[in-house]
Amino acid sequence: AQKITQTQPGMFVQEKEAVTLDCTYDTSDPSYGLFWYKQPSSGEMIFLIYQGSYDQQNATEGRYSLNFQKARKSANLVISASQLGDSAMYFCAMRETGNTGKLIFGQGTTLQVKP
Amino acid sequence: DTGVSQDPRHKITKRGQNVTFRCDPISEHNRLYWYRQTLGQGPEFLTYFQNEAQLEKSRLLSDRFSAERPKGSFSTLEIQRTEQGDSAMYLCASSSQRLNQETQYFGPGTRLLVL
Repeated sequence: AQKITQTQPGMFVQEKEAVTLDCTYDTSDPSYGLFWYKQPSSGEMIFLIYQGSYDQQNATEGRYSLNFQKARKSANLVISASQLGDSAMYFCAMRETGNTGKLIFGQGTTLQVKP
Repeated sequence: DTGVSQDPRHKITKRGQNVTFRCDPISEHNRLYWYRQTLGQGPEFLTYFQNEAQLEKSRLLSDRFSAERPKGSFSTLEIQRTEQGDSAMYLCASSSQRLNQETQYFGPGTRLLVL
């Protein structure tokens, strides 16, 4: 069965510094998609970045980049130049094999940015 | 485009009452998902619609839960005879099968508290 693991319940980072949030996944399907979402205290899940299993390069979106190591089955999110507004819960998710496209989420990592 | 919207944002009800939530997806999206998220956990899949057809339901969705998506537009999720264990955030997401990544975009969620 497919599974997402986020081993860091909470992380702290100083404002303007970079931070890496870990995500490992398990699947036997050669074709899959990996997503990162941000969830502020308001509750809305905000899409950040996507990595496809066949993508040759690591995905980047502004200050977000994904360190994709396929052999290790890891898809870590790197946030550069942290801002106070980055304080939130971050979820890694995998699109499940099959026709529905439903997402399997990890447990999440709470990030707090210190001024 | 205003994104995915959900109504109400908050609902407090007494055990045994019925509640209904509404989700309006992004207009051109043919796929619609419902997830449930309890405190400190990642969202869990409940059900999926492609256009008006409900194609998959999680075993988390007991007989007290029913979802519809008439005419393939908005969707409703009804919980009958609510129980305290139903207290959670109910998230709706939509995506387009025509787009390569099929990124799911989430609404703000409905927070349900069953007393």
